[in-house]
Amino acid sequence: GAVVSQHPSRVICKSGTSVKIECRSLDFQATTMFWYRQFPKQSLMLMATSNEGSKATYEQGVEKDKFLINHASLTLSTLTVTSAHPEDSSFYICSAIKDRAMREQYFGPGTRLTVT
Amino acid sequence: GQSLEQPSEVTAVEGAIVQINCTYQTSGFYGLSWYQQHDGGAPTFLSYNALDGLEETGRFSSFLSRSDSYGYLLLQELQMKDSASYFCAVRAIDDKIIFGKGTRLHILP
Repeated sequence: GAVVSQHPSRVICKSGTSVKIECRSLDFQATTMFWYRQFPKQSLMLMATSNEGSKATYEQGVEKDKFLINHASLTLSTLTVTSAHPEDSSFYICSAIKDRAMREQYFGPGTRLTVT
Repeated sequence: GQSLEQPSEVTAVEGAIVQINCTYQTSGFYGLSWYQQHDGGAPTFLSYNALDGLEETGRFSSFLSRSDSYGYLLLQELQMKDSASYFCAVRAIDDKIIFGKGTRLHILP
């Protein structure tokens, strides 16, 4: 199989603080990981593409200084939401691919972030 | 720009067949995927078409016509558990995966 985990599943933080979300591929090495954001009843919006050992590629409109992505190894990518504000409250989902054929993305279970 | 169009909602009856269409306009095209997402959950992969034609996987089938920039997901023998959102997604240039806005499928008993 191909399992991707995310931690934490839910987090509540105060405005102005930072939150780190981890995404791990448990039984395979992920050449590339993606971070998405999803608002209620809306589609998945790609935030950034993360490749191991290199800088993440951010989508237009996504602040790279606010959403820090680190792809430390072939099985771990982290997203840090810095100086969080209530408008950052959302469902954050990561996905990983095994190879560049990219026939299938394996999604993590998501992290529900609530900023108060 | 890049866009995928799919209906926002579809309603069908348990046991019936439903088709969810997707048209796309993207910079480059390598394949069309379909994902299912239940409320509060993460998307799960259903199917992938890189070439024209029909791919069948159990009760679900997916079709692609590259010349028409069009595909569809066909769900047969609908079950209540199939109530979910369905997203089409295109792998486009620069290896980006672009998702449609999703189709919410309501199934009536």
